Amino acid sequence: GAVVSQHPSRVICKSGTSVKIECRSLDFQATTMFWYRQFPKKSLMLMATSNEGSKATYEQGVEKDKFLINHASLTLSTLTVTSAHPEDSSFYICSAPDRGLSTGELFFGEGSRLTVL
Amino acid sequence: LAKTTQPISMDSYEGQEVNITCSHNNIATNDYITWYQQFPSQGPRFIIQGYKTKVTNEVASLFIPADRKSSTLSLPRVSLSDTAVYYCLGGGSQGNLIFGKGTKLSVKP
Repeated sequence: GAVVSQHPSRVICKSGTSVKIECRSLDFQATTMFWYRQFPKKSLMLMATSNEGSKATYEQGVEKDKFLINHASLTLSTLTVTSAHPEDSSFYICSAPDRGLSTGELFFGEGSRLTVL
Repeated sequence: LAKTTQPISMDSYEGQEVNITCSHNNIATNDYITWYQQFPSQGPRFIIQGYKTKVTNEVASLFIPADRKSSTLSLPRVSLSDTAVYYCLGGGSQGNLIFGKGTKLSVKP
């Protein structure tokens, strides 16, 4: 199956700093990628849709200036958590479809655990 | 996007068959039904997908009745390593899958 990789898998940062998380499709091109966050013992919450070459589409309640998304190439999307605070500590997961969007089959990255001190 | 309802949790023993049923009453005509598995601190992993009737692959079967308002994931002869959260999703033709709460399956020895 298709492979989606995230980096870093774990990151610890101080409050007020910015953290960048990368999501790569390793063996396919992805014009669209999706970013989720997941709190402990909770389900995944869709944050935004990352579109190659254009602005990301954010879900209601997600601050676009707080969570900057850049999709500069067909294999890479980045999520930057700006001025991170402890409440931003979470598990961030990206996904991408490798056969277009019609079937709804997505491949997910391993996730990135962010801890803000 | 279809709203899904699943049992919050299920318990089973090794070697048993496990069936997890999901309700998706408002599923759209073009929507597929997809099941994912998630282990702690990992991204979800695709298990199986179907549109109607029965689909089988090397890890599971998916049963979808004619009205498509529900689906049942069947895991044959589960093992301890099948302990995970299982999510049923309907729709996502735009790829923006909305996850429900999932079913936490606990397999005991």
